[in-house]
Amino acid sequence: DSGVTQTPKHLITATGQRVTLRCSPRSGDLSVYWYQQSLDQGLQFLIQYYNGEERAKGNILERFSAQQFPDLHSELNLSSLELGDSALYFCASSVRHGRVETQYFGPGTRLLVL
Amino acid sequence: LAKTTQPISMDSYEGQEVNITCSHNNIATNDYITWYQQFPSQGPRFIIQGYKTKVTNEVASLFIPADRKSSTLSLPRVSLSDTAVYYCLVGDGKGDSNYQLIWGAGTKLIIKP
Repeated sequence: DSGVTQTPKHLITATGQRVTLRCSPRSGDLSVYWYQQSLDQGLQFLIQYYNGEERAKGNILERFSAQQFPDLHSELNLSSLELGDSALYFCASSVRHGRVETQYFGPGTRLLVL
Repeated sequence: LAKTTQPISMDSYEGQEVNITCSHNNIATNDYITWYQQFPSQGPRFIIQGYKTKVTNEVASLFIPADRKSSTLSLPRVSLSDTAVYYCLVGDGKGDSNYQLIWGAGTKLIIKP
């Protein structure tokens, strides 16, 4: 157990709909990352937040957005869903060891768009 | 951004030592090398991290030669439960070399009985 929690575990929805994925980082971790992993693919970085502020952005679609709240939990909003958005969505929080950050991943949310 | 190159897949047998090598020719002075393990439908899990020479923890060893252009993850006496995808990343996790944002395909390790 990494200490990072994600809800829901599974989500089934239809094309055109909007969903919200939630992530609670490990206690004390200020940084939250969101990733998308399609079937048998590598991890695609979407976005990073640090203490409530957006810090880095990857190949996140305009239909997707995220935020980090004062209690440090984060939400990823996916709208106008398409079949191709079906994937595992992971969130990770990070801790710094000296000069380097190490990420701790949650169990993921499996999204299926029908 | 530093790039890494790993074998796409490897096979081995229970009880054997497995070595997975990662090439990172463009590694920068401040970059660290980190390995993660991912089981199907689970998030990656941190295995080991190092800067130079050898690092060992309870699950693996990491060998880094003097030029740091490659690194080798060594898993001693593997078991079936070590079947997973292993990712090598380089960088310091901040600024322009925020390596943790670029994940390659990793090495799919299959352990046979």
